[in-house]
Amino acid sequence: KNQVEQSPQSLIILEGKNCTLQCNYTVSPFSNLRWYKQDTGRGPVSLTIMTFSENTKSNGRYTATLDADTKQSSLHITASQLSDSASYICVVSATSGTYKYIFGTGTRLKVLA
Amino acid sequence: DARVTQTPRHKVTEMGQEVTMRCQPILGHNTVFWYRQTMMQGLELLAYFRNRAPLDDSGMPKDRFSAEMPDATLATLKIQPSEPRDSAVYFCASGLVGNTGRSGNTIYFGEGSWLTVV
Repeated sequence: KNQVEQSPQSLIILEGKNCTLQCNYTVSPFSNLRWYKQDTGRGPVSLTIMTFSENTKSNGRYTATLDADTKQSSLHITASQLSDSASYICVVSATSGTYKYIFGTGTRLKVLA
Repeated sequence: DARVTQTPRHKVTEMGQEVTMRCQPILGHNTVFWYRQTMMQGLELLAYFRNRAPLDDSGMPKDRFSAEMPDATLATLKIQPSEPRDSAVYFCASGLVGNTGRSGNTIYFGEGSWLTVV
């Protein structure tokens, strides 16, 4: 069964600190993996997209890694800011005749001053 | 600045009433998605269209939900009759997807339609 699991479910850190969010998936065949940021009351916004051959992708203070062998991805946030408080959703695309995304349930990050 | 536009942003309705949500995808995008998000389930795919043709609506309760794309600038999601369990945020998203279904292109989400059925 195609699944995407994220950990931790929620996380609280102090402003300026780094953190890493995890995503494990069992999606096959694999097409690509995306990380989205969703602010409260808003739609998800894309942070990174990685295909099978890519193992790291950065977007400012956000760095995503992908290990296609172990089917794991991480999102590392450097020097966190209050505006990083949001839900971070890992999304894996499967290609099996139809184009589908499998969404993780997200990690809720709270950055405190 | 291109974006996906959804209306209404908020809707409160009584059980049994019809609800129609509308979405204007980004011009030039060939694929439109409808998602539902709840606290318990996260984001669930309800239906998606490519070049206005419905490709997959297996995630949608067929007895009360219907999704259409009357033209390239409008996608609709209708619930009739609505029930309290339909209360959720409904997101429309659009993107440019290749014919093979493979795409590294970004999928853009609208801000959602917040539905409450009482």
